[in-house]
Amino acid sequence: AQKVTQAQTEISVVEKEDVTLDCVYETRDTTYYLFWYKQPPSGELVFLIRRNSFDEQNEISGRYSWNFQKSTSSFNFTITASQVVDSAVYFCALSERQGGSEKLVFGKGMKLTVNP
Amino acid sequence: DARVTQTPRDKVTEMGQEVTMRCQPILGHNTVFWYRQTMMQGLELLAYFRNRAPLDDSGMPKDRFSAEMPDATLATLKIQPSEPRDSAVYFCASGLAIQGAMGEAFFGQGTRLTVV
Repeated sequence: AQKVTQAQTEISVVEKEDVTLDCVYETRDTTYYLFWYKQPPSGELVFLIRRNSFDEQNEISGRYSWNFQKSTSSFNFTITASQVVDSAVYFCALSERQGGSEKLVFGKGMKLTVNP
Repeated sequence: DARVTQTPRDKVTEMGQEVTMRCQPILGHNTVFWYRQTMMQGLELLAYFRNRAPLDDSGMPKDRFSAEMPDATLATLKIQPSEPRDSAVYFCASGLAIQGAMGEAFFGQGTRLTVV
């Protein structure tokens, strides 16, 4: 069964600090997809990234970067030089390739507060 | 600008009453998810559909919850009878799964349900 664990429930940092959000997943499939979503205080869920299991290259998008390591079943998310606008709940999610019944399972989320 | 539309945005109801939440997925998406968000459980997958067929509703309390997709433009989640513990934000999301690959899921703005 697929499972996503975000061990940190809440982190508070001061603006300009770097922060890493951990995500560990469990799956029996060799083909799967990993996602990160952001939920700002307004409540909507915003897609950040999707990564397939065959692509272990790290990705960087502005201040955001993602580190995918199959050896440790982790897909960690780092925000560099955090800003107050980064304050949100961040969710990691997993979708296994199941031959027609793929679903999207989320971790419990991690609340990030960036203080000025 | 394609988006997932959920109605109502807010619903306050008395215990024992029937509640129906509606979702209009993005045209062309073949997968629709229903999630429930609470502080304790995060984003729980309640049910999902592929090409309007229900694939998995094991996340729902069967005795009181039901999910249907009467046509490609409408998904519904019904609670009858409602209980205070059902109070949560309910999200609908739609996405495109192609040959086992689940793409990005687009979320509606959610229905905030309060059962008193």
